[in-house]
Amino acid sequence: AQSVTQPDIHITVSEGASLELRCNYSYGATPYLFWYVQSPGQGLQLLLKYFSGDTLVQGIKGFEAEFKRSQSSFNLRKPSVHWSDAAEYFCAVGNSGYSTLTFGKGTMLLVSP
Amino acid sequence: DGGITQSPKYLFRKEGQNVTLSCEQNLNHDAMYWYRQDPGQGLRLIYYSQIVNDFQKGDIAEGYSVSREKKESFPLTVTSAQKNPTAFYLCASSGERSYEQYFGPGTRLTVT
Repeated sequence: AQSVTQPDIHITVSEGASLELRCNYSYGATPYLFWYVQSPGQGLQLLLKYFSGDTLVQGIKGFEAEFKRSQSSFNLRKPSVHWSDAAEYFCAVGNSGYSTLTFGKGTMLLVSP
Repeated sequence: DGGITQSPKYLFRKEGQNVTLSCEQNLNHDAMYWYRQDPGQGLRLIYYSQIVNDFQKGDIAEGYSVSREKKESFPLTVTSAQKNPTAFYLCASSGERSYEQYFGPGTRLTVT
């Protein structure tokens, strides 16, 4: 069965600093990978997705992620964090043949002034 | 504006009562999903439906029921058999053969 691990429960980053959120997945074939963001009490918004092709994918709000098959990772990055980026971030992998997603437990990003 | 609506935003019920959460989408998506979110647990799949009049259990279906009589609607009933129903419930939908899911704003259910 597929699984997703987000090793960091909380991360604090200074405003203007760079950000990397880690995601590792367990999946046999080429995975479909996603990053979502959730503000408190809200639904999830899709940041970016990887299906195939270029392993560096660009998303909304200045985020990017890199798929590394050898490391089973799909880490999310942003060069300069803004206070409005404070939220919870979820990595997810698609479950082949079922159109369902398996989510990680999330990483809460705190942005300090 | 296309999207997913969930109502109400907050719902309070007494223990032992069934409660139905609404989810409607006007994206013309075939598939719809219900998730439960608890602090530190991520999202866990309750039920999903890929076509009208058909649905499948997810990872935590016990104590829940769903129906899919219309493409636009996928209501979730939290029954009295659900041992710990207080949670944040999220509905999502996706297009044909797509893993990309779009989420509603959620319903916070509190059962006392």
